[in-house]
Amino acid sequence: DIQMTQSPSSLSASVGDRVTITCRASQGISNSLAWYQQKPGKAPKLLLYAASRLESGVPSRFSGSGSGTDYTLTISSLQPEDFATYYCQQYYSTSITFGPGTKVDIK
Amino acid sequence: QITLKESGPTLVKPTQTLTLTCTFSGFSLSTSGVGVGWIRQPPGKALEWLALIYWDDDKRYSPSLKSRLTITKDTSKNQVVLTMTNMDPVDTATYYCAHRRLVAGTCFDYWGQGTLVTVSS
Repeated sequence: DIQMTQSPSSLSASVGDRVTITCRASQGISNSLAWYQQKPGKAPKLLLYAASRLESGVPSRFSGSGSGTDYTLTISSLQPEDFATYYCQQYYSTSITFGPGTKVDIK
Repeated sequence: QITLKESGPTLVKPTQTLTLTCTFSGFSLSTSGVGVGWIRQPPGKALEWLALIYWDDDKRYSPSLKSRLTITKDTSKNQVVLTMTNMDPVDTATYYCAHRRLVAGTCFDYWGQGTLVTVSS
């Protein structure tokens, strides 16, 4: 299995802050990476795929980058509705794996 | 408009077999490229992928759970069924089914609301 790690595991930020979350794979995954947002009691929502492609309807303040084993999700200006947990997911391997999540809460 | 909904028991006893059904609309599992997956999430914990079935009946399973899982589809009913044998309290989780995003690999663009399954005697 490809193991996924995320850092930090949690962060506190204020509205308007720039937030960056990092996801690392245990081996190269050739940009086969998705990012999800999950709010309490809700299903995950796809934000980006192929590491940097924005899913339809997702605000442009969300962006993704990276290559090889290291990827980042950036929220350029945090909005009140962005407080949530974020997960990365690799699909390079037929055995799909998710990261452990990063919780973003209000400072 | 794509929708998915999970159904099944909310409580199962240890050693029992869990059967969950995903009923969907807005797409067909006979269309090339389409897939439906199952993902679970124990309370307060991370997401874990379980299984995936494709339009051509190709099936993929989590290696750690493969011996306990079976995924099938009924195209005429627009349903995907997941069975998990030998349930244990550690299998207590919200179970989601999700639509595989067409193009750009296996991520999931539409999700069901999830169903909480508790394993307890």
